[in-house]
Amino acid sequence: IAGITQAPTSQILAAGRRMTLRCTQDMRHNAMYWYRQDLGLGLRLIHYSNTAGTTGKGEVPDGYSVSRANTDDFPLTLASAVPSQTSVYFCASSDSTGGNSPLHFGNGTRLTVT
Amino acid sequence: GQNIDQPTEMTATEGAIVQINCTYQTSGFNGLFWYQQHAGEAPTFLSYNVLDGLEEKGRFSSFLSRSKGYSYLLLKELQMKDSASYLCAVKDSNYQLIWGAGTKLIIKP
Repeated sequence: IAGITQAPTSQILAAGRRMTLRCTQDMRHNAMYWYRQDLGLGLRLIHYSNTAGTTGKGEVPDGYSVSRANTDDFPLTLASAVPSQTSVYFCASSDSTGGNSPLHFGNGTRLTVT
Repeated sequence: GQNIDQPTEMTATEGAIVQINCTYQTSGFNGLFWYQQHAGEAPTFLSYNVLDGLEEKGRFSSFLSRSKGYSYLLLKELQMKDSASYLCAVKDSNYQLIWGAGTKLIIKP
């Protein structure tokens, strides 16, 4: 089934630990995104990639890094987790960055930093 | 700054009609999206408006007025499965999506 796969589904992580959230899409979409979703707030963009080999910072990039070595994969790394990074993380992709391209979302990773 | 406003929560009755409003103030405008998000699940695309007027898709319709910075999502013949959060998002002049916090819609029998 075509779509976006995120792993893990959920994780409890000790503060200070390093963690990589995985995201893979099989739709050959050019653009990919990482969002965090917190109660009472809109989705906030962490990092994005308009095409393989390029990345950019979103609204809340501090403490996170990404890479885009190929079209399909867009991992998000927390170098040293802090409790404020407790959130639900969604990876998304779109065919292009143009106006009418909707985002397709993965099922999310629920991360708890203790 | 850029801002999207939508009501936090709404309640409606099964079989009825509900209108969810969204107002926006953004740097430029390249389209407005509505997404549906069931609890614990990913958002899914519902509609896209870039020109003024009404776009109809089955039981769901979305309206846009660019001059007023206003959109609404209209849900007809409400079903229990429509209980979800509805997210409004606008693409700004840089084609970045600005998201509202979402409206939680509760459907009562």
